[in-house]
Amino acid sequence: GAVVSQHPSRVICKSGTSVKIECRSLDFQATTMFWYRQFPKQSLMLMATSNEGSKATYEQGVEKDKFLINHASLTLSTLTVTSAHPEDSSFYICSARGRQGAGNQPQHFGDGTRLSIL
Amino acid sequence: AQKITQTQPGMFVQEKEAVTLDCTYDTSDPSYGLFWYKQPSSGEMIFLIYQGSYDQQNATEGRYSLNFQKARKSANLVISASQLGDSAMYFCAMREAVTGGGNKLTFGTGTQLKVEL
Repeated sequence: GAVVSQHPSRVICKSGTSVKIECRSLDFQATTMFWYRQFPKQSLMLMATSNEGSKATYEQGVEKDKFLINHASLTLSTLTVTSAHPEDSSFYICSARGRQGAGNQPQHFGDGTRLSIL
Repeated sequence: AQKITQTQPGMFVQEKEAVTLDCTYDTSDPSYGLFWYKQPSSGEMIFLIYQGSYDQQNATEGRYSLNFQKARKSANLVISASQLGDSAMYFCAMREAVTGGGNKLTFGTGTQLKVEL
């Protein structure tokens, strides 16, 4: 089945550091990738939608300059948390989807990244 | 207003019994899709089952079935013959179109299922 790889799985770093998270689709071309944030025992909140070759569409309340998204190829999207602070600590998870016309195609999720900012 | 509502924060079921996890949704779009995902404690999201708004029959995938009641806007997940490995958080999600093309998933708050011996 479709596989999405997300790295790193866990990051612990100091306040002020920028952290890059990678999301790769391993066996299909992901025209669209999604980035979610999940706080403990809460639901997934969509942060942004990333289409290959174009600027990401951010959800209301998500800072574009804080969470930089790049989707340079059909198999790779990156999320960079710039100048991370303790309040950015969370579980970040990406998902990928193939052809947009196939509405019943599920989003395939990466295993997530636990980000802890000290 | 919440678009996806899961009213059961937690559910317990005995092994080998069936359990129903509730999900109601709200949309004015005639074309939509409903998904269920399982999230174990390790964090990954596992796709379980899909129901399209125009599908005439309830979706089934192995031990999972979706009780789709369109008029009531509900899409409950039924897990038959529960196993210990079914213990996890379960999320209901709705795919809906967005302005400018494309679509996105909106997730409910989840139901934590615990399967007991």
